Amino acid sequence: SQTIHQWPATLVQPVGSPLSLECTVEGTSNPNLYWYRQAAGRGLQLLFYSVGIGQISSEVPQNLSASRPQDRQFILSSKKLLLSDSGFYLCAWSVLALSRDTQYFGPGTRLTVL
Amino acid sequence: GESVGLHLPTLSVQEGDNSIINCAYSNSASDYFIWYKQESGKGPQFIIDIRSNMDKRQGQRVTVLLNKTVKHLSLQIAATQPGDSAVYFCAESTGNQFYFGTGTSLTVIP
Repeated sequence: SQTIHQWPATLVQPVGSPLSLECTVEGTSNPNLYWYRQAAGRGLQLLFYSVGIGQISSEVPQNLSASRPQDRQFILSSKKLLLSDSGFYLCAWSVLALSRDTQYFGPGTRLTVL
Repeated sequence: GESVGLHLPTLSVQEGDNSIINCAYSNSASDYFIWYKQESGKGPQFIIDIRSNMDKRQGQRVTVLLNKTVKHLSLQIAATQPGDSAVYFCAESTGNQFYFGTGTSLTVIP
């Protein structure tokens, strides 16, 4: 069966510091991968998606970036965090791209920027 | 733009009763819908999905109903249990993206 991991589970960072969140998927090959942000009282916001190694599409202009160095690894980064970057970050995967198929979510990373 | 909303932000039910959670969507071209359950501090968990060529789909203790005429989606949970307490939200697929609702918080009273 497929499993998706995210780490760290929680993170507290000062404004202006860098960020690196990691997501890995087990039990499947060539998954479509996604990064979402979930703010309190709001629906999930798609940040990035990837259909393959090195292929990243950005949905929202911001100071975040994503990379996919390996087939089942997806990384969310920032060079300088802003207060507004606080939130719950979710990684997801699917077999078919984008909204053609069910997306399965990881456990999430709670990021607090102070 | 799209909008996916929920009729009630909170719902309290007695253990053993049936729960109904509603979701309205605005795009008549949406063709795929998913219900997720999210417990506090955890990632969303897939519950059930339905495509627009169906009106009803059943899972274990859950049923999703789709009314395309009024653009309404509902999740029915039979014999609600304390472990069902969570936020439930729907996702609507249009084009290349999912649009997610903000969720309904379900509380099960023992």
